[in-house]
Amino acid sequence: GAVVSQHPSWVICKSGTSVKIECRSLDFQATTMFWYRQFPKQSLMLMATSNEGSKATYEQGVEKDKFLINHASLTLSTLTVTSAHPEDSSFYICSASEVGRYNEQFFGPGTRLTVL
Amino acid sequence: KQEVTQIPAALSVPEGENLVLNCSFTDSAIYNLQWFRQDPGKGLTSLLLIQSSQREQTSGRLNASLDKSSGRSTLYIAASQPGDSATYLCAVNTGGFKTIFGAGTRLFVKA
Repeated sequence: GAVVSQHPSWVICKSGTSVKIECRSLDFQATTMFWYRQFPKQSLMLMATSNEGSKATYEQGVEKDKFLINHASLTLSTLTVTSAHPEDSSFYICSASEVGRYNEQFFGPGTRLTVL
Repeated sequence: KQEVTQIPAALSVPEGENLVLNCSFTDSAIYNLQWFRQDPGKGLTSLLLIQSSQREQTSGRLNASLDKSSGRSTLYIAASQPGDSATYLCAVNTGGFKTIFGAGTRLFVKA
């Protein structure tokens, strides 16, 4: 149980385009989902926390207008990288916390974004 | 501010050797600590989760310990195999949905 999926697993796009990444909790309801990014050979850095039905909370230094997060249901959160540029190329990983299990996060497999 | 440090940054060992990976954190007020494995270009695989009230967790050849008072955790891998080669990440849950990751230890097990 407690499986989180991400789609797509990898994406290549041209500079200036927008890319949407989906994060789904497959067998549980997630009131809270998290988005992380990871640069090569670096650790994961939290970008934002989203709660179902409300606005996401962004970490300091993360542009909310560039990284749009929507958490429309208890099983789906989306991250849209708007007007992507090469410096946005990274590995994006989501995680989710199950209702009632607030201290444990289940991680998705990640999405590799390459912006040309 | 919670900081998580992992030592060593990289480790190369011959197959069959037992090894220990270290993780330290600066604030002992944690809810749990989790060890992950990450293969190159891949996502995270959860290995062991230790709640703040626990001292250790075991899964197969893996054993993770937690000493909250000293801000330390270790991941012990017995009889290492080439398939264990990966990056191992330590992550501390500080509550309020905050999870802080260490930079990881890159492990290479030579056949």
